Amino acid sequence: NAGVTQTPKFQVLKTGQSMTLQCAQDMNHEYMSWYRQDPGMGLRLIHYSVGAGITDQGEVPNGYNVSRSTTEDFPLRLLSAAPSQTSVYFCASSLQTATDTQYFGPGTRLTVL
Amino acid sequence: AQSVTQPDIHITVSEGASLELRCNYSYGATPYLFWYVQSPGQGLQLLLKYFSGDTLVQGIKGFEAEFKRSQSSFNLRKPSVHWSDAAEYFCAVGPLGSYIPTFGRGTSLIVHP
Repeated sequence: NAGVTQTPKFQVLKTGQSMTLQCAQDMNHEYMSWYRQDPGMGLRLIHYSVGAGITDQGEVPNGYNVSRSTTEDFPLRLLSAAPSQTSVYFCASSLQTATDTQYFGPGTRLTVL
Repeated sequence: AQSVTQPDIHITVSEGASLELRCNYSYGATPYLFWYVQSPGQGLQLLLKYFSGDTLVQGIKGFEAEFKRSQSSFNLRKPSVHWSDAAEYFCAVGPLGSYIPTFGRGTSLIVHP
């Protein structure tokens, strides 16, 4: 099993550009989530999904879109990047809920100029 | 609303010394409590979790944590620290079946030889 994979590992964007962060898991997990990690802020939940076709907002959803067309994939879209979105992004998955053991991807470091 | 406080931003210990990382939570009932570790440049890995039962929980890598309801605490301990334990440690809380966990801001552990 590859676990949770994320691409790319690093990305630099200009303000206003769009991009998609990819996340995939091969553990047949229902619950997937996206977090952002900022210095001194810990992890904050952006969006989550409890299964294919079902997504919902977390604590900091503004500026981000998600979709879940398959169990395996949960991409995160930035439609118009802003410097405030400079962060490290982590995707995670677990069996059914966030209180099941979550498995994290290696992260994507995004810089918005 | 649930919340987590990790009062120590940085902790420095000597290799071989004992370690205690503090975590205080706020939640109306007994929540799920977690400790995660993040090695430099990596995603998070679950060390241990608690919901009910024995209040002393054993985890991976020789870590343990004790749940104290009267103090709303879930402190992480290790009797003898190794240089490889240098990392960021996160405490997290969520009610059973939660989709939106709350993470603390993290404690950075520095290990001196």
